[in-house]
Amino acid sequence: SQQGEEDPQALSIQEGENATMNCSYKTSINNLQWYRQNSGRGLVHLILIRSNEREKHSGRLRVTLDTSKKSSSLLITASRAADTASYFCATEQTGANNLFFGTGTRLTVIP
Amino acid sequence: EAGVAQSPRYKIIEKRQSVAFWCNPISGHATLYWYQQILGQGPKLLIQFQNNGVVDDSQLPKDRFSAERLKGVDSTLKIQPAKLEDSAVYLCASSLVDTQYGYTFGSGTRLTVV
Repeated sequence: SQQGEEDPQALSIQEGENATMNCSYKTSINNLQWYRQNSGRGLVHLILIRSNEREKHSGRLRVTLDTSKKSSSLLITASRAADTASYFCATEQTGANNLFFGTGTRLTVIP
Repeated sequence: EAGVAQSPRYKIIEKRQSVAFWCNPISGHATLYWYQQILGQGPKLLIQFQNNGVVDDSQLPKDRFSAERLKGVDSTLKIQPAKLEDSAVYLCASSLVDTQYGYTFGSGTRLTVV
């Protein structure tokens, strides 16, 4: 089974609202990464948070990591229609250097 | 900087036929990955190379899938013979050995097996 599970599976919001997606995983990790995928395209790396970090920001993105709960969240503030995409969390497990992806959250931002 | 190049973009084949996908990673990226993404799911790792050596192929169905990375640059992934359940997008990605900058993915090859 895949390492991560995102919640919710789908999210629909109005432009300008904030979007929050959650990710849970099962084993100890080196880092956790978030990727974005537009329909029919490859994945784009958004942000990486290491296991010893609790929060990280990049532009309108805010990521938190709670290793005790094995969970992470991605917050997109002031959403735009162009943010419409699928968002995946991916974990690099301790002792490995490849990524295991979750099931993804499909975000729709309504103009 | 040029991205990860993949070809073909789309492929339709009949079951039991063979197919090959090609990937050219970002220059200088030692690590190359092939992922399979079935519709509605997250990508699943098939094989990981570092330079021209295999690091992890534990999830590669070796009875029908094969991959190589000659000279530590380009890579090909082959399926022979294809099954209906192989219909998916095959994504190639590359990264530096230090993965703190994340992976760079190609646009993928969408395979339909009929």
